[in-house]
Amino acid sequence: GAGVSQSPSNKVTEKGKDVELRCDPISGHTALYWYRQSLGQGLEFLIYFQGNSAPDKSGLPSDRFSAERTGGSVSTLTIQRTQQEDSAVYLCASSPKAGAYEQYFGPGTRLTVT
Amino acid sequence: AQSVSQHNHHVILSEAASLELGCNYSYGGTVNLFWYVQYPGQHLQLLLKYFSGDPLVKGIKGFEAEFIKSKFSFNLRKPSVQWSDTAEYFCAVTRYNTDKLIFGTGTRLQVFP
Repeated sequence: GAGVSQSPSNKVTEKGKDVELRCDPISGHTALYWYRQSLGQGLEFLIYFQGNSAPDKSGLPSDRFSAERTGGSVSTLTIQRTQQEDSAVYLCASSPKAGAYEQYFGPGTRLTVT
Repeated sequence: AQSVSQHNHHVILSEAASLELGCNYSYGGTVNLFWYVQYPGQHLQLLLKYFSGDPLVKGIKGFEAEFIKSKFSFNLRKPSVQWSDTAEYFCAVTRYNTDKLIFGTGTRLQVFP
């Protein structure tokens, strides 16, 4: 079946612009996660959605970052007023539900802020 | 600080050599443990996982890992590596009652024919 998909695959933006990154989880998966992979910081958790519960936003690095999940499916990660340190690969993952389950990762969106 | 540590940053082996990659975590209480692999140009995929039960877990492609609770370790092993095992390997942990993966810094493995 289809895996986690993310779009765009690459995004180049100018410093100060806003960007939106999209994630389509595996159908039926109720848990959705965003991570960031960068040279300096490795792989870091950003935010997590589970069903209708309030999201766990504890990993968001600043208030410029936000995410939403519409209809329990597609999620959008928004970065406002991008900075060069936001350059990274943004990874989305989904799992069948919360708890001891494997997270399935998408291919990521490579964001470059110039 | 509480963390996941992978002490081997870059490992270079010849084909057929044995592999062991170290992973230690510093969280108390119940944890779930994972090894993920990222082949060149591909996305992260699960090699194996430990939730409970037999501390020796077997994963895909001949990999296995052993959970040693007293040492807070979850080392990855393979008796004979292949060129196709060239990849970056990440150890990760989720703590009881949370689901966010906490990753180690990764180990880059290069296998030469």
